Amino acid sequence: EVQLVESGGDLVQPGGSLTLSCAVSGFILGNYWMHWVRQAPGKGLVWVSRISSDGTIINYADPVKGRFTISRDTAKNTLYLQMNSLRAEDTAFYYCAREPLAVVGYDYWGQGALVTVSS
Amino acid sequence: SYEMTQPPSVSVALGQTATITCEGNNIGNKIVHWYQQKPGQAPILVISRDATRPFGIPERFSGSNSWNTATLTINRAQAGDEADYYCQVWDSNTYVFGPGTKVTVL
Repeated sequence: EVQLVESGGDLVQPGGSLTLSCAVSGFILGNYWMHWVRQAPGKGLVWVSRISSDGTIINYADPVKGRFTISRDTAKNTLYLQMNSLRAEDTAFYYCAREPLAVVGYDYWGQGALVTVSS
Repeated sequence: SYEMTQPPSVSVALGQTATITCEGNNIGNKIVHWYQQKPGQAPILVISRDATRPFGIPERFSGSNSWNTATLTINRAQAGDEADYYCQVWDSNTYVFGPGTKVTVL
């Protein structure tokens, strides 16, 4: 059974850092494109970042470029999102999602991890 | 960055057809996906690459994309189709989501 489980969500002060993890099971992480998508409470979906199946292609949305870093550990079958210089507007549920091939859409999502940036 | 517009809400009578649009400049030249999201749940892909239904999605869901409008059509709407629907476009090495449409089944 395919599962994606996010963890690491927390309350953090503005300017702080946090790392989210997405532990996957039921498939091999290195065979899929993986993405992070966020959703502020009561708001719409916003794409954050992606990493290609072979790890050579990484893209970021402009609002997080230079502050967030996507990475993965294929041995641990885990995807990460390191978030630095956090701002109040980064407050959201963060979902990891699987894309079987480039630009075909996400066939599996995690349940989301809540990141709250507040003093 | 690329932007799309969606109607904030669409109402449809039970058993009738709901049409949800996603408008953007020359969106017909881009690849569009559609997601359904119910409260408290992660989204579900209902249409991939303009018009492809993933496995397990009912035939009642269909998609099209031409010129400046991509469209998600829900035929024979059911109460379980009540949800938010988002279009998603790949453009210039980024994905962009539309603002979402809340579908209400009356």
